[in-house]
Amino acid sequence: EVQLVQSGAEERKPGESLKISCRGSGNNFTHYWVGWVRQMPGKGLEWLGIIYPGDSDTRYSPSIQGQVSMSFDTAINTAYLRWDRLRASDTGIYYCARQQMGGTFLSAFDIWGQGTPVTVSP
Amino acid sequence: DIVLTQSPGTLSLSLGERATLSCRASPSVTDNFLAWYQQKPGQAPRLLIFRASSRAAGIPDRFSGSVSGTDFSLTISGLEPEDFAVYYCQHYGTTPRTFGHGTRVEMK
Repeated sequence: EVQLVQSGAEERKPGESLKISCRGSGNNFTHYWVGWVRQMPGKGLEWLGIIYPGDSDTRYSPSIQGQVSMSFDTAINTAYLRWDRLRASDTGIYYCARQQMGGTFLSAFDIWGQGTPVTVSP
Repeated sequence: DIVLTQSPGTLSLSLGERATLSCRASPSVTDNFLAWYQQKPGQAPRLLIFRASSRAAGIPDRFSGSVSGTDFSLTISGLEPEDFAVYYCQHYGTTPRTFGHGTRVEMK
C-alpha cells in the first residue's frame, strides 16, 4: 500500500526556521509529482506548490514564492518543506500529497499525508 | 490565476437526499482538468473525482461529476451518513492549482 507519512506537530516562534518532512512508502516516487497544501485554522485548502523528484523541478504558488522552499531526497523517498523565517501567518496544517499518475504534470492528488500542524506564536 | 467559485457555501440535506454541488471556473479549465475532494474533520482530503467526471479508485458510484462549459458539478445521488463533510474542487491544468472555498454538506 502506498502511503505518505509526515513528521509530527511543530511549535516555533516568529523568525525561526523549520523543515517538515513527508516520507513515501510502498512505491518509488521518482516519477510522481509531490505537492504541498496548507489549511489555515478553520479555513479551506490552499495549494502551495509541487516538486518532481526525478529532477527537482519545482513550481510554487505566487502567494508563497520566496517564503518557503521545497525539496526531495530520492534516496529516502522523502519530500521536505522548509521555512527560513517563520511568520505567525504560517500557522496551519500542512499536507503533502502525491499525484495519481506518474510521468505527467497533469494529475490530481490521490495519496495524502496525515498532515503536519505548525504553530507559530511569540 | 483561475478562480473557482463553489456554491452553495452550505447545503443542509437529509439522509437519502440528492446533493448537487457547483464549481464555476473563471477563466476556463484546460481540458477539464478538475478534481473534487472530500474532507472530514481532522482528516486529510480524499480524492473523489478527477478529470471532471472520472471516479477515483474505491469511490462509491453514488458520487458523480459532470461539466458544462465552465460549470462543474458534483452529485451525490443519495446521502449516506458518512457523506456529511466539506467538498472542494481544484483545477490542475495550470499552476497555481487553486482550490475552491468549499461546500459544507450538513445534516438537516
